[in-house]
Amino acid sequence: KNEVEQSPQNLTAQEGEFITINCSYSVGISALHWLQQHPGGGIVSLFMLSSGKKKHGRLIATINIQEKHSSLHITASHPRDSAVYICAVQWGNTGTASKLTFGTGTRLQVTL
Amino acid sequence: DGGITQSPKYLFRKEGQNVTLSCEQNLNHDAMYWYRQDPGQGLRLIYYSQIVNDFQKGDIAEGYSVSREKKESFPLTVTSAQKNPTAFYLCASSDQGGGPYNEQFFGPGTRLTVL
Repeated sequence: KNEVEQSPQNLTAQEGEFITINCSYSVGISALHWLQQHPGGGIVSLFMLSSGKKKHGRLIATINIQEKHSSLHITASHPRDSAVYICAVQWGNTGTASKLTFGTGTRLQVTL
Repeated sequence: DGGITQSPKYLFRKEGQNVTLSCEQNLNHDAMYWYRQDPGQGLRLIYYSQIVNDFQKGDIAEGYSVSREKKESFPLTVTSAQKNPTAFYLCASSDQGGGPYNEQFFGPGTRLTVL
């Protein structure tokens, strides 16, 4: 079983601040996903990575395979970034389906 | 536009009734998944299907059933045997792609409340 832990659970920031959300897992993985869930409930995939670093706009995701750790950074945060950010890891041999184990999420609120 | 649709967004049922949640995708993906989300917990896998007419139990399959008669459809039935059915249900799909990992695309979810 792969344990996925996220920190912090809740985060409040002021507009413009640099934000970091962390994710640790216990068993080696083939890929790690960062997801964003807005108050309505729908989930959007932000990143899928297996090594190194990816950047998309103001979002940056990094992963350290040896340390079993990933971080999601948001630069110049904005109120529209307010959402729950979820880390999910893909591991094990499941044939052609990609089974994921999810963290409990980090609730981010960005205020003016 | 390609995507995943789930209907309805909100669903209310009386205790003891079976209810079926719809999930349709037009992404031409082979694999589809059903997850359950409860407050303070990560998403948990109920069932998944890698191909038409085939599906596998996930981590919390008890009290649920699925079918996969068409590639684009993967309905989930919450039966009266499910002890705590009130939850947010998310459907997802992924392309097989031939690689070791595949991005999952999620639907908007259905919030089921059993009264």
